[in-house]
Amino acid sequence: EAQVTQNPRYLITVTGKKLTVTCSQNMNHEYMSWYRQDPGLGLRQIYYSMNVEVTDKGDVPEGYKVSRKEKRNFPLILESPSPNQTSLYFCASNLRGSLQETQYFGPGTRLLVL
Amino acid sequence: GQQLNQSPQSMFIQEGEDVSMNCTSSSIFNTWLWYKQDPGEGPVLLIALYKAGELTSNGRLTAQFGITRKDSFLNISASIPSDVGIYFCAGQDTGGFKTIFGAGTRLFVKA
Repeated sequence: EAQVTQNPRYLITVTGKKLTVTCSQNMNHEYMSWYRQDPGLGLRQIYYSMNVEVTDKGDVPEGYKVSRKEKRNFPLILESPSPNQTSLYFCASNLRGSLQETQYFGPGTRLLVL
Repeated sequence: GQQLNQSPQSMFIQEGEDVSMNCTSSSIFNTWLWYKQDPGEGPVLLIALYKAGELTSNGRLTAQFGITRKDSFLNISASIPSDVGIYFCAGQDTGGFKTIFGAGTRLFVKA
């Protein structure tokens, strides 16, 4: 089954404690992306990756890092989380960045930073 | 940065009614997308629009890509209870990598 998986689904942490949210897709997609969703703001793109070792900033990259060492994985790293990073995070992938192909979203990771 | 203005923020309708929502932008987009998000799930693509003026249907859903490339609307005809959810518009830039989402329209359907 074609899918995007994220782990963990729920996470409570404290300010400053480094964390990583994993994202994996089994569709051999080139393009992957991370979004955060906040009430009243919709989804905002954090980072995206066009292929292995190729990443670029989205609209709200501050406080986040990503890496794309393999095609299937695109982890999101918060080196020093702060309360304003409390949010619902989605990973997404599609075959090419043109979105002529359907973009698949993961189930989301709900993060609370105390 | 680029922003999309999506309206209305929420709608309360009776089952069977038609619904219309729209998005406008100060910037030009090459692609307009409409998504639906159910509670606890990620967004699911409903309709993708690639050309200015394009009108596309998907069952009871119809969406149009505005001639100016700065706006789009989504219509849902004969709404049913399972239409409940949040609908997002999204615009894509020329390269096809950056995607900007609207704030969403929360739809409630009363049976």
